[in-house]
Amino acid sequence: AQRVTQPEKLLSVFKGAPVELKCNYSYSGSPELFWYVQYSRQRLQLLLRHISRESIKGFTADLNKGETSFHLKKPFAQEEDSAMYYCALQGGSEKLVFGKGTKLTVNP
Amino acid sequence: NAGVTQTPKFQVLKTGQSMTLQCAQDMNHEYMSWYRQDPGMGLRLIHYSVGAGITDQGEVPNGYNVSRSTTEDFPLRLLSAAPSQTSVYFCASSYSFAQNEAFFGQGTRLTVV
Repeated sequence: AQRVTQPEKLLSVFKGAPVELKCNYSYSGSPELFWYVQYSRQRLQLLLRHISRESIKGFTADLNKGETSFHLKKPFAQEEDSAMYYCALQGGSEKLVFGKGTKLTVNP
Repeated sequence: NAGVTQTPKFQVLKTGQSMTLQCAQDMNHEYMSWYRQDPGMGLRLIHYSVGAGITDQGEVPNGYNVSRSTTEDFPLRLLSAAPSQTSVYFCASSYSFAQNEAFFGQGTRLTVV
């Protein structure tokens, strides 16, 4: 079974501070992992995917198969990063399964 | 380029009423899916389709029906609405199911009274 766990419902940091949004997954095969973001009053959109190994808006995420984690990191948070973040996993079953999400608030 | 379009944006139903949430995409995507978003529950998969004529159940399919007669459209039907179906519904599509970006509609906020 595919499962995604985001342990923090809420995360609050100050502008300029580092931020890490945690994501752990459960899947027996090789997973495809994604981070999606939903800004206020906007539709959900892809932030980054592990296979591309890219940095988007200063965010990075590394797949750690040993710890079954895909944490999202940014060294210096900005106020415009405030949003809802969802970690998602796609396994061989064709289903894209999401975690419960973490609401990030970046305070000035 | 419209992308993924959902209608309506808002809807209020009485318990027991039926309705169809519409979803259309103009990107020739094979994979389409429906999610519901509830506070503290995240996005939960209701039904999905890997191509015209093929549908399958997600995590929370009870109370919902879908069909996929064309590549472009993937309607979600509530046959007898219940207050537990009050939620925000999102439709998504992608070129295929593997390694591809999912594009989301703007959502339908449904209230069942």
